[in-house]
Amino acid sequence: DAKTTQPTSMDCAEGRAANLPCNHSTISGNEYVYWYRQIHSQGPQYIIHGLKNNETNEMASLIITEDRKSSTLILPHATLRDTAVYYCIVSGVTSGSRLTFGEGTQLTVNP
Amino acid sequence: NAGVMQNPRHLVRRRGQEARLRCSPMKGHSHVYWYRQLPEEGLKFMVYLQKENIIDESGMPKERFSAEFPKEGPSILRIQQVVRGDSAAYFCASSPRWEVSRTGNEQFFGPGTRLTVL
Repeated sequence: DAKTTQPTSMDCAEGRAANLPCNHSTISGNEYVYWYRQIHSQGPQYIIHGLKNNETNEMASLIITEDRKSSTLILPHATLRDTAVYYCIVSGVTSGSRLTFGEGTQLTVNP
Repeated sequence: NAGVMQNPRHLVRRRGQEARLRCSPMKGHSHVYWYRQLPEEGLKFMVYLQKENIIDESGMPKERFSAEFPKEGPSILRIQQVVRGDSAAYFCASSPRWEVSRTGNEQFFGPGTRLTVL
């Protein structure tokens, strides 16, 4: 699986958009970009994933650059409950591919 | 639709005892994964199973650890002769069967079992 690089920590004001970057310059053609988050020792929560097109769901948007070497997770209106560690993971497309969690980004949403 | 269920949520064992952790995947999911999170560390993959088959156990410690996912019932992660270093949060995840024409392999996690070895 390709390696990812994320900032260690970020702050965001409540109600504003949180933009979390991720670099994955060695991503290969059949690897997806996944985002998960872990809220204070709870089980990781799936957020969104994509291959090459931008994706949006009820939780977030995922913007993937054209060369696929980086991506940005966008939480459009951050709330205090979005405070968590956010993990950007690149994983193979075949069923059963393990998720390799790095250090992630600690996002703190401030009132 | 119930999510991934794990029990017990907290388990305390003395050194040398056995620990059994159970995981019931989401309805319709046939793939189960186990991950371990040591204190102050990240999540590490341990094992991937399908019904009655271990597909990838490359993350499992070579001794004392075993996993199964029987035809009926939950997946079990078994740790024999526990030591203090086994104290960690153990998370189970499940995913549906992959179809090539569909999107990725998102995994859905349970709340975890926190094992404390005294």
